[in-house]
Order: sequence, then C-alpha cells, then structure tokens
Amino acid sequence: GAGVSQTPSNKVTEKGKYVELRCDPISGHTALYWYRQSLGQGPEFLIYFQGTGAADDSGLPNDRFFAVRPEGSVSTLKIQRTERGDSAVYLCASSSGLAGSTDTQYFGPGTRLTVL
Amino acid sequence: AQSVAQPEDQVNVAEGNPLTVKCTYSVSGNPYLFWYVQYPNRGLQFLLKYITGDNLVKGSYGFEAEFNKSQTSFHLKKPSALVSDSALYFCAVRDPDPGGYQKVTFGTGTKLQVIP
Repeated sequence: GAGVSQTPSNKVTEKGKYVELRCDPISGHTALYWYRQSLGQGPEFLIYFQGTGAADDSGLPNDRFFAVRPEGSVSTLKIQRTERGDSAVYLCASSSGLAGSTDTQYFGPGTRLTVL
Repeated sequence: AQSVAQPEDQVNVAEGNPLTVKCTYSVSGNPYLFWYVQYPNRGLQFLLKYITGDNLVKGSYGFEAEFNKSQTSFHLKKPSALVSDSALYFCAVRDPDPGGYQKVTFGTGTKLQVIP
C-alpha cells in the first residue's frame, strides 16, 4: 500500500508566522512519530503518538511546538511564532504500534521548512 | 541513556569494491538495531534490523550488517558497491521493551560515496 506522505514538501515562511505541517501515516499504523533533521545531523525525536494521544512529547523543544492527531490517523505539527532556528526538515514516521513487536518505523519524504 | 556513534562522516569506495559503514552503540539492555538510507531530498528508507538470533542480518539492496555484542558494534556491509549506493546512511538503536514504547536514537549519519 501507500507509504507515509507529508505535505507540503517545502514551506517558506517569515519569522513570527504560524505554520502547519501534515503527516498521513501508513494505513493501519497506530504509532506516529515526528522528527526534526537539521543539516548534517540525524533525525531528532520530537513527539510520539499511540492512537490519538501523545504518549511522549519530551522532544518538543518549547511550547511553540504542538502536534495533534485527532482521529488517530493524520497528524499535524504546528509551530507558532516561527524562528530562523526552526528551519530544518521535519520528518514523520509511522509503525504498527503493536505491543511486543519490533515496531520498525517507516518514514515519509519530509517537509523542508525555511524561516526567513 | 542510549546512544549511537557513527565515527566516519564520509566513506569513499570504488565501484565493485566491498564497503563498510561503521556503527557502535550504547544501551542498557539487549538492543534493537537498525540501518536506514537517505537519498537526496528523500525520507529515510529502512534497510535492515537486528532483533535477536543470527548476528549477520541481511537486508534490502544486497546490504547486510553484523551484530557484535562484545564490541557493541553493528557495521553495515556490502560485498560489491554500486554507484547508486551513494547516499547518507543512518544507524539507530532502541532499548527493547516488549510491553511498551521505547524511543529510537539515530546516529549523525555517514555519507557513502561510491566512485565509478
């Protein structure tokens, strides 16, 4: 079936603006993850959803970042009052979420966010 | 805390030669280990994983990885490199918890350049 999709692929915004990044996981996957990848770095964990609830949001850098997954499928990462330091590629991944599984994560293509 | 080290920022290898991309890890228990590949402007693609059992794991595109518990390593290998293998490779580790979620930690990545 289809993989993880993310929209938009690129987003350019001005400092101080609000942005929303969308992730559509693999159908049936209950676990969803958001990562941020800066140039020359590996993915940095932001938040993990199991179903509709955020099971671990310890990676969110500050309260300007927020994510939702209201129906347990599509997720939106929201960034308020964007700063130039928020510029990065935002990756979404999903996994089966089954207890006891190895829970391999499958990634989307990412959204490249540029804050001017 | 768990961590992953990829000691080489870049690996250059001639086409047709064997390649090795190094990874060492630190985790409190027996690890789950993963390799992902990232092509330019693309998301991460899952290559292979080690959970338990045979220390030599075979994955996609002819890649394999060897788990060495005494050296806490999980090096990625391929007997004969292709130019199309040129990409960014990430090692990742997860502390297994059959009853719940555990965060995946990624390395900083190794750029593989296969020279024709």
